[in-house]
Amino acid sequence: QKEVEQDPGPLSVPEGAIVSLNCTYSNSAFQYFMWYRQYSRKGPELLMYTYSSGNKEDGRFTAQVDKSSKYISLFIRDSQPSDSATYLCAMTRGSTLGRLYFGRGTQLTVWP
Amino acid sequence: EPEVTQTPSHQVTQMGQEVILRCVPISNHLYFYWYRQILGQKVEFLVSFYNNEISEKSEIFDDQFSVERPDGSNFTLKIRSTKLEDSAMYFCASRGSSVYGYTFGSGTRLTVV
Repeated sequence: QKEVEQDPGPLSVPEGAIVSLNCTYSNSAFQYFMWYRQYSRKGPELLMYTYSSGNKEDGRFTAQVDKSSKYISLFIRDSQPSDSATYLCAMTRGSTLGRLYFGRGTQLTVWP
Repeated sequence: EPEVTQTPSHQVTQMGQEVILRCVPISNHLYFYWYRQILGQKVEFLVSFYNNEISEKSEIFDDQFSVERPDGSNFTLKIRSTKLEDSAMYFCASRGSSVYGYTFGSGTRLTVV
């Protein structure tokens, strides 16, 4: 069973566009949800995180979780060329061990 | 800002050889992990290490793999007899008490020929 599904893209948008990235998951035990950004040949860097359902906003970024639909989203407003990267969703059950389950990542390019 | 350091950045090895991938986690972190990413695929969990022992491992982490924290700073992943399908980017990560507190290293690209 595929735990976390994410459309790999690629996604190409003009500067200033609103970007929507999404993941679905199958395991209802997931409680903690994260978005990571990964540049080429680098490790993932934490961008946003949320606990359970709801929204969280940080500057141009908004993370949403809908546990009833098992669906999470990341919105980027006023996208910039520097936002060009691969975005990975990740989630965990929240046990102390904290094993992360990742989506495949969506490759985003923002062109000037 | 503290970071997780991995060496080497790229290693090429012949099939059947042993490799050791090295990591220096963040000093006050408690949990240590290895993940891998085959080109074009998901980042996959291999193993977690806590309190000087393996706390969880995936089905990928078979008898060919082992981990050690030989001193207070290093954390290593050993692959005893490499296969072509072990070619991947291997990421070390560490975290403190928060599940959000993961810090990943930049990875070691392992190429098995």
